[in-house]
Formats: sequence, C-alpha cells, structure tokens
Amino acid sequence: EVQLLESGGGLIQPGGSLRLSCAASGFTFSDYAMSWVRQAPGKGLEWVSSIPAGGRATYYADSVKGRFAVSRDNSRNTLFLQMSSLRAEDTAVYHCVGGAAVTNYFFEYWGQGTLVAVSS
Amino acid sequence: EIVLTQSPATLSLSPGERATLSCRASQSVSSSLGWYQQKPGQAPRLLIYDASNRATGIPARFSGSGSGTDFTLTISSLETEDFAVYYCQQRNNWPRTFGQGTKVEIK
Repeated sequence: EVQLLESGGGLIQPGGSLRLSCAASGFTFSDYAMSWVRQAPGKGLEWVSSIPAGGRATYYADSVKGRFAVSRDNSRNTLFLQMSSLRAEDTAVYHCVGGAAVTNYFFEYWGQGTLVAVSS
Repeated sequence: EIVLTQSPATLSLSPGERATLSCRASQSVSSSLGWYQQKPGQAPRLLIYDASNRATGIPARFSGSGSGTDFTLTISSLETEDFAVYYCQQRNNWPRTFGQGTKVEIK
C-alpha cells in the first residue's frame, strides 16, 4: 500500500522557519518525481515545488522562491521542504505528492498533508 | 504563468445525470492536462492524465477530452460518490498550475 506521511507542520510566527518531512513507502521512491502542493483553508490547490527522481534540479512557485528549499533522500525514502521567512499567506495544508513516468508525472500519489499555520 | 479557468464554478445535478466540466488554458498546454477529484477532508485523487487517459482504478464513467487550450471532463452518469470538487492542472510549463475548481453538488 502506498503511503506518504507528512510531518513537521505546526503554528509558527511570521518570519519563522519550519522543516517539513514526507516519509514514503509502498512504491519505488527513487523512480518518482516528488512535489509539494498546498491548500489554504477553504481554498483551491497551489503547486509549491517539485524535485525530479534524481534530485538534480528543483522548481518553485514564484510565491515561495528564495524562501523554500526542496530536497530528497532516496536512501531514506524521504522528501523535505525547508521553509523560511514564513508569511501569513503561507498558512495551508501542505501535501506531499508523487508522480512517475507511467502517468507522465502527473500527481498520482498524495499524502493527507500537514498543516502549517503562520500567525503571531 | 499559464492560467487555467474552470467553468462553471458550481454544477448542481442529480444522480444519474451527465456532468460536463470545462477547463480553459490561457495558452496551449498541448495534451499535458490532468483532472483531480477532491472530497471534503480528503487529499485529491488523480482521475485523468494527458487529457484523456484514466488513472489506475478510475471508473469508465469518467472521461477527458481536449487539447491545446480547451479541455473537458465528463462524468457520464453521476454516482453519489462523485459529488466533490474537481480541479484541472497543467504540466506543460513551469510553474505547474491548477484551475480554481468546479464543485459538483447534489441538486
């Protein structure tokens, strides 16, 4: 059974930092491009960042570029998102998402998400 | 950035009816468009990728069509479990973008 289990969310003050983790199991993690997609309360989906299977490139939404950094450890089947200079508008549920060639790298596997709340 | 505009915002239908959802891109995304279903309190689920390919385990009543800038998700006969919010998403360009969603509600 495929599982993506996010952790590391919580309440943080504006300007603070958090590191999200996503533990993957049930599939060959190293074959999958991984992404973070967030959803603010009551709002739609917003792509945040992606990293290919090999991890040699990274991609970011303009809204987080320069503040967030995505990385992965294929030996530990884990995806990370280092978030800094957090703002109120970063408040959202952050989903860890995976996609592979079989579905042309669309977002096939989703975690339930971890809530990040930025507030003073 | 490619903007995806979904219509209508809300679709009120009865079980057994046909649902037709639209997604229009601000520029061509070729066939690199997907559709997702999200139910309250759940993570989204991939329904359709590359405009017309059903993902694993997706019932045949879901179908996708289109290319370029205009795409359609059709649910041929609504089941009660299909009432949800549907999002389109493009992966032709960075940044990846989603539409704002269409809510399919019970009439």
